[in-house]
Amino acid sequence: QKEVEQNSGPLSVPEGAIASLNCTYSDRVSQSFFWYRQYSGKSPELIMSIYSNGDKEDGRFTAQLNKASQYVSLLIRDSQPSDSATYLCAVNVGSARQLTFGSGTQLTVLP
Amino acid sequence: GAGVSQSPSNKVTEKGKDVELRCDPISGHTALYWYRQSLGQGLEFLIYFQGNSAPDKSGLPSDRFSAERTGGSVSTLTIQRTQQEDSAVYLCASSLGLADTQYFGPGTRLTVL
Repeated sequence: QKEVEQNSGPLSVPEGAIASLNCTYSDRVSQSFFWYRQYSGKSPELIMSIYSNGDKEDGRFTAQLNKASQYVSLLIRDSQPSDSATYLCAVNVGSARQLTFGSGTQLTVLP
Repeated sequence: GAGVSQSPSNKVTEKGKDVELRCDPISGHTALYWYRQSLGQGLEFLIYFQGNSAPDKSGLPSDRFSAERTGGSVSTLTIQRTQQEDSAVYLCASSLGLADTQYFGPGTRLTVL
């Protein structure tokens, strides 16, 4: 089992719809969770960080964390074509300081 | 303020040559990380530095890889006797402290012919 797993893509949604991205992690001790967006040929840029159970909202983005079920998700409301990118889930697995990344989910928002 | 910077942006080298990649973290960030991203392997951790502590080298794939951080700021990743499988994008990130949010530089694309 991989330490951080993301639902396999690619994922396509129409403009204006909600895009739902999911991620599970293996180590219950993990405390810090991040979503990065990566456009083709570019480096990852931070979208959201979340540390506590529940929802965290920032504009059109909502991160959800459920430590009991060991999953973290990202919802993108009112999806725009400019949201088309690969979304990476990253976790400080256990007590590690480095990030462990999922393989990423490629999202395409269709105009 | 200025973000993480890396140089060169692209590097093409011949198999067997040594290369040096540079990272300049965000001012004031004490933690610095190196990752690499290659097709089929995703984004994988290489090494991190935190202040004056000994670096965590647990992700370095072989002894051909080494890194140093001078004066708690700029870091250099050195790959000796490069191999074709070293071709990847090498990403540097920095954070205020360990386990804080990491901010990535633009990366160095390394191609080994």
